Amino acid sequence: ETGVTQSPTHLIKTRGQQVTLRCSSQSGHNTVSWYQQALGQGPQFIFQYYREEENGRGNFPPRFSGLQFPNYSSELNVNALELDDSALYLCASSPPGRASTDTQYFGPGTRLTVL
Amino acid sequence: AQRVTQPEKLLSVFKGAPVELKCNYSYSGSPELFWYVQYSRQRLQLLLRHISRESIKGFTADLNKGETSFHLKKPFAQEEDSAMYYCALAHGSSNTGKLIFGQGTTLQVKP
Repeated sequence: ETGVTQSPTHLIKTRGQQVTLRCSSQSGHNTVSWYQQALGQGPQFIFQYYREEENGRGNFPPRFSGLQFPNYSSELNVNALELDDSALYLCASSPPGRASTDTQYFGPGTRLTVL
Repeated sequence: AQRVTQPEKLLSVFKGAPVELKCNYSYSGSPELFWYVQYSRQRLQLLLRHISRESIKGFTADLNKGETSFHLKKPFAQEEDSAMYYCALAHGSSNTGKLIFGQGTTLQVKP
């Protein structure tokens, strides 16, 4: 069984640029959630995808968008990057079931630095 | 507003000492509470959840709705318990598995 994978591991961008982060969910999982973790903080929920549809969104502006593909992998896109977008971006997948109680399995994260 | 508070950034204890990592939450409704742990150079992983009422690696946590707390406890700390611990809350009746995390507490167990 393959765990959650994310790519790239690290990324450096400049203000105003756009970035795409990728996540492959764990085998058998159909739900993917994305979190932003700033230095010294806990993860903050960005949004969740279930069966290719957005299924809940946190307090993030529309320039944060996502996709989920038929194989349940997912992308997080961020447009017009700002310095405050520098953070660790975590992807988590969970199996079919009751979303509020299911264990979320986290990937290793993508470290984004915006200069 | 829904919020999870972990008042201690760092908790340092000696091996064999009892450990209590504090977690308080603010939520109107029936929350689901979790503890996630991140060991050095590893990914974030679930330690335990309140609905399971289980003990994992000697850790337990009891949901106290009156005090809105979900403190994590272990009677005798081990050096391998050193890690970052996050308390998290999910909407109990929601179909969205949105987790609200606290800021985390670093547990340092000294030999």
